[in-house]
Formats: sequence, structure tokens, C-alpha cells
Amino acid sequence: SQQGEEDPQALSIQEGENATMNCSYKTSINNLQWYRQNSGRGLVHLILIRSNEREKHSGRLRVTLDTSKKSSSLLITASRAADTASYFCATDAGKSTFGDGTTLTVKP
Amino acid sequence: DTGVSQDPRHKITKRGQNVTFRCDPISEHNRLYWYRQTLGQGPEFLTYFQNEAQLEKSRLLSDRFSAERPKGSFSTLEIQRTEQGDSAMYLCASSSHMGLAGTYEQYFGPGTRLTVT
Repeated sequence: SQQGEEDPQALSIQEGENATMNCSYKTSINNLQWYRQNSGRGLVHLILIRSNEREKHSGRLRVTLDTSKKSSSLLITASRAADTASYFCATDAGKSTFGDGTTLTVKP
Repeated sequence: DTGVSQDPRHKITKRGQNVTFRCDPISEHNRLYWYRQTLGQGPEFLTYFQNEAQLEKSRLLSDRFSAERPKGSFSTLEIQRTEQGDSAMYLCASSSHMGLAGTYEQYFGPGTRLTVT
């Protein structure tokens, strides 16, 4: 089974709103990464947060990590139609193990 | 170097045939990964290399699958006697991994879409 599991499976919001998606995992990790995948394309790395970090920012992205709850969240602020994609979290225990993703739709 | 490239981008084959895919990673990256992705699911790990050494292979990977990275640069993934269940997107990724501090971010190629008829 997959190590990382995203929630919700699907999210639909209006342009300008914030989008929050969550990731839960089962075992200890060195780091957790978030990726974006546009339909039919390869994955693009967004942000990596290490196990000793609690929060990280990159542009409109904010990632938190709670190792005690084995969970992470990705917040996209002021969403744009171009943010429409699937978002995956991946944990590292030697290699990355992906969940099934959250499909985000941002309506213009 | 413009990123990870994969060839071919699409492959249609008949059940029972063998297929081979190629991945060219970012040149300075020492790790190379293969994943398989089916519609609506996340990438499923298949195997990875550090330089030319194959360090891990998924237990889910049947003996029909084999991967090589002979000179520590490009890699090939071969599927023998293809089955319809092998239809998927095959993704390659590379990363620069130094020391024991964990996997650095992976850069993915565009994938090879395999259809087995």
C-alpha cells in the first residue's frame, strides 16, 4: 500500500480562494515532498520539508509537517486557474512513495 | 541539459511482445528512478539506481520487468511478454543524492505511455 495518502481526493474552488490539501503517512520519514501533475504530464516538484522542520514557504505555497501526527498539509493561497492539477505527497524512506493525489480544480 | 527525457513517448504493442523504454536523466544526477502510474492513481515505485547499481526493486515487480543503467547514465526498462495489465504510464525521475541525509527532490520526465492491445 502507498505510504502517503492525500485528502480530499478532489477539491473544487473559485479563483482567488485558498486550497488546502492534506497528507497522512504511516512510518518515520526523512522528508516529505509535494508534487504537482498536470493532466497527462510528468510530475513537477513543488517543495520539500525535512522531518526536523515544521513549516516551509515557497511563493504562494505553504507546507506544514506534524511528525507526531504523521501528517502534512499543503496550502495554496490566492489560487489561479493554472493551479488546476493533481497534487501528490511523497515520503522518503530511501525512495519516494506516493499517494493517489488530490485533484484540484480552480474555476475562473 | 534541459531535464529528464524519455523515449518513446507512446508505445502501442500487442500482448506477448517485448518492449524497451529509455530514460536519460539530468547529467549530474546520480540517482535514477522508475515508476508506473495508472489513471487516477499516484506513481508506483518500480526500482531505482544509484550510479550503475540497482539498489532496490519493488516486490510488486514481476520477473518480466528488468531495468539496467550500465554506465550510470541512461537507463532502460524492458518488459517481456507484455500483458494488458501492463498498460500504464512509465515515469522516470532523477535526483542528486549525496550522503545519508535522505532523497533530494526528484525531477521527472514526461513519461512513456504504454498501451498493450
